[in-house]
Amino acid sequence: NAGVTQTPKFRVLKTGQSMTLLCAQDMNHEYMYWYRQDPGMGLRLIHYSVGEGTTAKGEVPDGYNVSRLKKQNFLLGLESAAPSQTSVYFCASSYSVREAFFGQGTRLTVV
Amino acid sequence: AQSVAQPEDQVNVAEGNPLTVKCTYSVSGNPYLFWYVQYPNRGLQFLLKYITGDNLVKGSYGFEAEFNKSQTSFHLKKPSALVSDSALYFCAVRDTAGGGADGLTFGKGTHLIIQP
Repeated sequence: NAGVTQTPKFRVLKTGQSMTLLCAQDMNHEYMYWYRQDPGMGLRLIHYSVGEGTTAKGEVPDGYNVSRLKKQNFLLGLESAAPSQTSVYFCASSYSVREAFFGQGTRLTVV
Repeated sequence: AQSVAQPEDQVNVAEGNPLTVKCTYSVSGNPYLFWYVQYPNRGLQFLLKYITGDNLVKGSYGFEAEFNKSQTSFHLKKPSALVSDSALYFCAVRDTAGGGADGLTFGKGTHLIIQP
């Protein structure tokens, strides 16, 4: 039982480049989330999804897009990366409004 | 909108002593409350939750937390600290007023350092 798996684990981008972060969960959870973690700021919600084909904006959605084409996958896209998007990104999933389970994170550096 | 405050950036405790990591919250409806722990370069691990019922909840690794509605607090506690408890701890809340589907809101985290 893998839980929540994120790929890649590390990535370095140049300003203006694009990339997609993949999150996969095998727990049949309806709800999925993307957070970013920055020092001294805790975790902030970027986007979330309450089911296949649905997405919604969180606290800090600007510069990011998401898609949930399959229940088990939640993709986070950066169309034109900026240095301010240097962060550690975490995907999570939950069964309804109960506790969320987190992936191991993706460390992204934009230079 | 919901919010969580963890008033201490760092808590230092001697091994074997009791520890407390503080958390207060603000919600419109009823809260669902959670504690997570993060070890260096790792994801967040779920420790315990309060949904309803008994105000004292027990979780993993000997941790417990007490829900206090009047003080809007959910402090994390352990009777006897271990050096291996040293980590970053996050308190989080869901506000049931809007259904609670819009994610957990996290505090900024508290570094817990257990000194041998």
